[in-house]
Amino acid sequence: ETGVTQTPRHLVMGMTNKKSLKCEQHLGHNAMYWYKQSAKKPLELMFVYNFKEQTENNSVPSRFSPECPNSSHLFLHLHTLQPEDSALYLCASSPRDGRAHEQFFGPGTRLTVL
Amino acid sequence: AQKITQTQPGMFVQEKEAVTLDCTYDTSDPSYGLFWYKQPSSGEMIFLIYQGSYDQQNATEGRYSLNFQKARKSANLVISASQLGDSAMYFCAMREPNNAGNMLTFGGGTRLMVKP
Repeated sequence: ETGVTQTPRHLVMGMTNKKSLKCEQHLGHNAMYWYKQSAKKPLELMFVYNFKEQTENNSVPSRFSPECPNSSHLFLHLHTLQPEDSALYLCASSPRDGRAHEQFFGPGTRLTVL
Repeated sequence: AQKITQTQPGMFVQEKEAVTLDCTYDTSDPSYGLFWYKQPSSGEMIFLIYQGSYDQQNATEGRYSLNFQKARKSANLVISASQLGDSAMYFCAMREPNNAGNMLTFGGGTRLMVKP
């Protein structure tokens, strides 16, 4: 596969469940990102990882726990979520240095919290 | 204050006509980058075009061009010869220098609907 992939594409979970979102990039990039896209709100940056190190946590509640085991994989572990956490979660990657003009996005995981 | 403002929540355009999607931004940094992304109903964000703050010419990519007016802090996207497949959400975004990575700030988006 090429580009940025995300699994699952759709997820429905209860507030007491624990689930994980997975992102994988095949572009050789060094930076990876999680974004949250809620209805009628701009995309919100959640986390940034550079060379597997978390460099940004945009005041995200602790019920969202990211993990970056290597430069190609990024996870978002979810537990005890709230209905307002229902959103499209987008993963992106970009080169860390050089031109780094663009972020490449995955197709997103549409999360519904019941 | 919002850093990226897209004032048109929705727009219609007739197929084969040109359309301009507005974007204004706010930054005090002289070095920045401006991006436009397209998001079809499938959800993925597709990169369309990039403009650097020091670029002398307006960016163009096929049917997409960016009308960059630095003094007015605007970076409008122009789509020429609209096609039905252009119907989607369009987001303007800005990257400011940041040691933490190429963080993007997005506007609220404009939904473009192309009429046959």
